Amino acid sequence: DQQVKQNSPSLSVQEGRISILNCDYTNSMFDYFLWYKKYPAEGPTFLISISSIKDKNEDGRFTVFLNKSAKHLSLHIVPSQPGDSAVYFCAANFGNEKLTFGTGTRLTIIP
Amino acid sequence: NAGVTQTPKFQVLKTGQSMTLQCAQDMNHNSMYWYRQDPGMGLRLIYYSASEGTTDKGEVPNGYNVSRLNKREFSLRLESAAPSQTSVYFCASSGGAIRPQHFGDGTRLSIL
Repeated sequence: DQQVKQNSPSLSVQEGRISILNCDYTNSMFDYFLWYKKYPAEGPTFLISISSIKDKNEDGRFTVFLNKSAKHLSLHIVPSQPGDSAVYFCAANFGNEKLTFGTGTRLTIIP
Repeated sequence: NAGVTQTPKFQVLKTGQSMTLQCAQDMNHNSMYWYRQDPGMGLRLIYYSASEGTTDKGEVPNGYNVSRLNKREFSLRLESAAPSQTSVYFCASSGGAIRPQHFGDGTRLSIL
């Protein structure tokens, strides 16, 4: 049972435009959400997080939105740059050590 | 600034062989983790250690053992490797449950 779902395996976006990556979760008890970015042959790198008491968190070009009623999380990247081409994972936990990851979305930025 | 270091980077084993994957972190983190990543399945937690001297099972612990040797080091052992354990293994560390995890670059393990 996949509790964290990323339904789009891949996404292509023009350089300079907005990239929107989506994530859905099934367990309403999740209270902390994170996004990671992964390049080939490297480990995931933390990007941004949000707790369930907020609905938005911003860090430079990256903004994460949380819609608890819809159990939906999204990551916005504005403007998209070629170096943003990577696999993006969303993850969630109950405020404990056990992170549950989604299956990832491969983002390709087209120059 | 090394962060999380995993050794080896690549390994090929035969079915039934044993192997220990090593992980060390230099960020003075209390918590350490082992994940496996398989195609189409994201990262799945194998074991974790919330502090030196403690270990707990994650989502997929069967066939693995771990040792938290000290605060810096957390090893993963396959006692009798099986082809189903072919995967990329990632070690991570964090300052606590709601702190971001920092990952090593992975060990690509193939079991024939």
